[in-house]
Amino acid sequence: DVKVTQSSRYLVKRTGEKVFLECVQDMDHENMFWYRQDPGLGLRLIYFSYDVKMKEKGDIPEGYSVSREKKERFSLILESASTNQTSMYLCASSSTTHGTIYGYTFGSGTRLTVV
Amino acid sequence: ELKVEQNPLFLSMQEGKNYTIYCNYSTTSDRLYWYRQDPGKSLESLFVLLSNGAVKQEGRLMASLDTKARLSTLHITAAVHDLSATYFCAVDIRGGSEKLVFGKGTKLTVNP
Repeated sequence: DVKVTQSSRYLVKRTGEKVFLECVQDMDHENMFWYRQDPGLGLRLIYFSYDVKMKEKGDIPEGYSVSREKKERFSLILESASTNQTSMYLCASSSTTHGTIYGYTFGSGTRLTVV
Repeated sequence: ELKVEQNPLFLSMQEGKNYTIYCNYSTTSDRLYWYRQDPGKSLESLFVLLSNGAVKQEGRLMASLDTKARLSTLHITAAVHDLSATYFCAVDIRGGSEKLVFGKGTKLTVNP
């Protein structure tokens, strides 16, 4: 089974801190994604990456950046955390070159609280 | 811009009843996915529908896809409490699982 692992289940950070959310997948997937999920707003795409060192902005990239130095790891960075970034963050991965498409596999999520 | 609309957004039903959740999308796509999310948990893949007329069934859930109508349905048969969760549909925007657009989700509550 594909596994997508997010390093933290719960995080509490202070306003202004730089925050790193880590995501690792173990199935050699090309594509990786970061979403945030908020009540009433559904899932909103922050950034995605379709290859190492490649990234594209999603729908709400402001206040975030990403890093993908290795194929298996996709990091989300909050440059200066603010209270409106309190949310559930979901990482996902997918493959488009192995001949079988199953959509995304999601990590377990990181619930971030910024105080 | 691709839009994905689910309805209803909230559904409260009694055990043993049948109901259908609808997922409409605004542009051409032949790939649609259904996910389930339990409270406080992540999303779990339920169904992958990859062509017009595709039908998949798992237990009391059955999903279908009509690409001409741009509509997918998730039918619940004889609901049980364990089906209580939020259900999301998602549509493939570029035909290769590179980017999915999600509906807002349908929160299903099955009452005894």
